[in-house]
Amino acid sequence: DGGITQSPKYLFRKEGQNVTLSCEQNLNHDAMYWYRQDPGQGLRLIYYSQIVNDFQKGDIAEGYSVSREKKESFPLTVTSAQKNPTAFYLCASKIPDRAWTEAFFGQGTRLTVV
Amino acid sequence: QQQVKQSPQSLIVQKGGISIINCAYENTAFDYFPWYQQFPGKGPALLIAIRPDVSEKKEGRFTISFNKSAKQFSLHIMDSQPGDSATYFCAAMGGVMDSNYQLIWGAGTKLIIKP
Repeated sequence: DGGITQSPKYLFRKEGQNVTLSCEQNLNHDAMYWYRQDPGQGLRLIYYSQIVNDFQKGDIAEGYSVSREKKESFPLTVTSAQKNPTAFYLCASKIPDRAWTEAFFGQGTRLTVV
Repeated sequence: QQQVKQSPQSLIVQKGGISIINCAYENTAFDYFPWYQQFPGKGPALLIAIRPDVSEKKEGRFTISFNKSAKQFSLHIMDSQPGDSATYFCAAMGGVMDSNYQLIWGAGTKLIIKP
């Protein structure tokens, strides 16, 4: 079955540590997105990529980095520069050349600073 | 102008009642308005979507009402059930002028259906 897989489901980070969240999709979608969700808040865009080897900053990119070396994969690194990383992180993908299509989401990664 | 304002922030409805969630936008270039449903600890999933060429779209117990002149759209859940308890997000996307095809999200509504 096609879909988006995020791993791990839970992740714990120590102060000053970089961690990488995985996002893999087998939907053959060109566009992929990373969102951050805090309790009681909506989805805030961190980074997005419309094509392999290209990505753009979203609204809250500071302290995060991404890569897009393969169409299927869009990993997110939460760096030590992100001072408040505890949140629920969601990866999504869609077909960019047709605006009115569904965005598919993974099951999320809950990151906690310990 | 890129914002989508969603209300209420939370909503409690009795089983069998009608749940109504509202969204408003400013950007007249938006031409795709989806609603997503999110259960705790899960990613959002598309529930229903509408284009501005129609004023209403119904799928089962879920209906989107769209008012283009007021720049508002709403989700109605008829005969609300405890299984509908979730967070609902409205969103909007630009048309041919929006080359990024990004969804602009509302802040979400936490819906609780009381048995």
